[in-house]
Order: sequence, then structure tokens, then C-alpha cells
Amino acid sequence: SQTIHQWPATLVQPVGSPLSLECTVEGTSNPNLYWYRQAAGRGLQLLFYSVGIGQISSEVPQNLSASRPQDRQFILSSKKLLLSDSGFYLCATGQPNSPLHFGNGTRLTVT
Amino acid sequence: SQQGEEDPQALSIQEGENATMNCSYKTSINNLQWYRQNSGRGLVHLILIRSNEREKHSGRLRVTLDTSKKSSSLLITASRAADTASYFCAPLKRVGTGRRALTFGSGTRLQVQP
Repeated sequence: SQTIHQWPATLVQPVGSPLSLECTVEGTSNPNLYWYRQAAGRGLQLLFYSVGIGQISSEVPQNLSASRPQDRQFILSSKKLLLSDSGFYLCATGQPNSPLHFGNGTRLTVT
Repeated sequence: SQQGEEDPQALSIQEGENATMNCSYKTSINNLQWYRQNSGRGLVHLILIRSNEREKHSGRLRVTLDTSKKSSSLLITASRAADTASYFCAPLKRVGTGRRALTFGSGTRLQVQP
């Protein structure tokens, strides 16, 4: 079965600092990978998805970027964090017509 | 824009009662999925219903889909305190770049009182 690892679980960063969140997947090869963000008390917003190494699609123009350097590794980054980047970031994997498997998320607070 | 808007936003019931949550969406879909989220955790898949299906059951869960009304409902029967969580519907639709992806609404926060 698929397992998704996300780290760190929580992160507090000052405005203007860089960000790197990592997600790795086990138990599957060539997975579709997704980054979602959830603001407090809100639904999930799709940020990026990837269908293969180096293939990244961005859904929302913003201060963030994503990279997929290896088949089962998905990284979310920012050069300079904004207050509005605070939220709960979730990595997920799955095929479009199948259930998504989510990681436990990273709670980011930008101060 | 977000798709899959749940209604109500919050629901509080007594243990043993049934809980019904509704979902509306705006565009055509391939399938619609329901997820559960415990506070501060990732989402867990509950059930998937395809666009050519009208009803699906899984244990105490019953999901309906009405593609003509672009709506779905999740019924949890004989609720338990452990069912307390947020529930999200997620239609599978084409997103901005043309690929299909799940889009989530704001969810229904269900509180089951023991």
C-alpha cells in the first residue's frame, strides 16, 4: 500500500524567509503527486500537481513553486514567504479516477 | 474557484442519529469522492461514486449522486462520537491546465455528541 511522508509536521518561519517542504511516497512508482493548501477552517486549494519527474503544473499563480527531482519526491518551495502563505500544506498521491492518499500535512505559520 | 461546496457548514447531532451532508458542484464530472478529516490531520478517503452511478453504500455510509442537479449527499447512519470530523466532497474535474484533479469545498464540520 502507498505511504506518504511529509516533513516537518509544523513550521514557524518569519516573513521573507525561504521555505522547503518535502514529500516522499512509498509503495508506488511513477505516481501522480499533488500539493494542496488548506487555510484555517477552509477547504483544500490545489496548488501544484505532477505526473512525472520534472513535470509540474501550477494551478494558482502565487509565491510558491514546486519541483519533482525524483520519481517519488515532491518539494514545495518559496524564496520569500508572505504572511498569506500560512496554512496547512498537504501532499497527496493517486490517479484521477481513484482515491487520493494524503500525508499528515505540514502546518506552516508565517510570522 | 473551488468546486464541491458542502452544506451545512456545521452540523451537531446526538449519538445514534443520522447525519446528512450535501454537496453541490458547478461543472461536469467524471466521479465525485467524499473524504473525512480529523482535526489537524490529512484527509482519508471514504467513498467514490462515478458519474454513471446514482447511489453507493459502504458500511454506515450512503452516498447519492444526481448529475442533473449537480449535487451529491453523504448520509452517515447511527452516528458515533468517533464520527466527529470534517467531511469534504471532491468532484473530479478538469482544472486550469486541462488535466483532471480533485477539487475540494470548505467541508461540513460534524460534531456527534455522546
